[in-house]
Amino acid sequence: DAGVIQSPRHEVTEMGQEVTLRCKPISGHDYLFWYRQTMMRGLELLIYFNNNVPIDDSGMPEDRFSAKMPNASFSTLKIQPSEPRDSAVYFCASSLYFRTDGNGYTFGSGTRLTVV
Amino acid sequence: TQLLEQSPQFLSIQEGENLTVYCNSSSVFSSLQWYRQEPGEGPVLLVTVVTGGEVKKLKRLTFQFGDARKDSSLHITAAQTGDTGLYLCAGDDTPLVFGKGTRLSVIA
Repeated sequence: DAGVIQSPRHEVTEMGQEVTLRCKPISGHDYLFWYRQTMMRGLELLIYFNNNVPIDDSGMPEDRFSAKMPNASFSTLKIQPSEPRDSAVYFCASSLYFRTDGNGYTFGSGTRLTVV
Repeated sequence: TQLLEQSPQFLSIQEGENLTVYCNSSSVFSSLQWYRQEPGEGPVLLVTVVTGGEVKKLKRLTFQFGDARKDSSLHITAAQTGDTGLYLCAGDDTPLVFGKGTRLSVIA
């Protein structure tokens, strides 16, 4: 398996524009997580899915953020409209189990978002 | 959400030195994981500790889970430049909650 695949790797956009981040999890993994990483706040969980269903989106900062998982092999995180404070590295991770039980989460390489 | 505090935040050492980094919480975790993150990449799992007092070794890295399962440490013996990276601890709090990490720089 190629691992968790995220695109794009880098995104630079102007304030007010719509941004869509994409993720392909590992085949067979039932859980998908979106995290955001900044120097100030570290890795923060935004939302996670189980079998394509959103379970907990309490970490989504505000209504400008939305996430979907239309099928087991694809998820998107959308920001509309984007703001400079959204600049961060966004990670997608997938896992076979909810409780890690030693297996851990497999992370993608991330999307570095810069909003100017 | 349970919080994990990692210390030190930054650490710069010479190649060949030993070091220890810490991960502390006021809450009990069923298990705790350590990840290493290199620049431009996502975190990669190093180890999971489950039992209070457990010690696991991964080559020159030694991981210990506190007896009360509230804290953990990572000790690196004879650090190498390849050990440079961000070390993150994560508690199994359904789902994983991460500390902010220790950024280690090993200088040749």
